Amino acid sequence: GAGVSQTPSNKVTEKGKYVELRCDPISGHTALYWYRQSLGQGPEFLIYFQGTGAADDSGLPNDRFFAVRPEGSVSTLKIQRTERGDSAVYLCASSLRDRATNEQFFGPGTRLTVL
Amino acid sequence: AQKITQTQPGMFVQEKEAVTLDCTYDTSDQSYGLFWYKQPSSGEMIFLIYQGSYDEQNATEGRYSLNFQKARKSANLVISASQLGDSAMYFCAMREGPDFGNEKLTFGTGTRLTIIP
Repeated sequence: GAGVSQTPSNKVTEKGKYVELRCDPISGHTALYWYRQSLGQGPEFLIYFQGTGAADDSGLPNDRFFAVRPEGSVSTLKIQRTERGDSAVYLCASSLRDRATNEQFFGPGTRLTVL
Repeated sequence: AQKITQTQPGMFVQEKEAVTLDCTYDTSDQSYGLFWYKQPSSGEMIFLIYQGSYDEQNATEGRYSLNFQKARKSANLVISASQLGDSAMYFCAMREGPDFGNEKLTFGTGTRLTIIP
C-alpha cells in the first residue's frame, strides 16, 4: 500500500514569508507526528495528533509554528514569518497504535530552505 | 543530559562482516520503548527493530538484533552479514512512558555506517 507522502519535497522561501507543508498519512492510521531534522542531527519532535486533535504540541518551538489535521487524515504544518533558523527537513510520520510496538512510519520529508 | 547517546559518528565495515552500533539511553521511567531506524541517502526513516523495557528476550528481526542491557541502559544494534545496501545513517530512539501514553520519540544524533566491498 501507499506510504506516508509529503508535499512539496523541497520548498525555498524568503525570510519573513509564510509556508505550508502537507502530510498524507498511511490510510487508516489514526496517529500523526511531525518532526524536524536539522543537518547532522536526529529528528526532533514537534507535534502529535490523535485523530483531529493535537494530543501533544510540546515540541513546537514558538507560536510561529502551527499544525492542523481537520478531518483526521491529512495534516498541514504552517510556519509564519519564517526565519533562516527554520531551514531543515520536516518529517511526518503516522502509526496505527494497535500494538505495543506502535512503530512510526515516516514520509520522505520536506526540505525547507529559508533564504 | 542527553536522553539518547550514540557515540560513533561514523563506522566503516567490510561487507559480510557483523557490525554493532552503540546506543545508550537515559530515563527514569520504568516503562519505555527503544527503536532503531535506518535513514538512507533518500532521507526516509525506515523502522528496523523495537525493544520494550519489559521484554525479557532481545529483539530480533532478520539480520538485525538488539543487544538490550537494561542495567547498563544500553540498546546496541547488531547487523549480521552486512551488505552494501546497509550503508546509511542509523538512529536510536526512545519512547518514554507506557505504550500508548507518551507517543513522541527522542532520537540520538545517529551513526553513519559505510559498508566496504
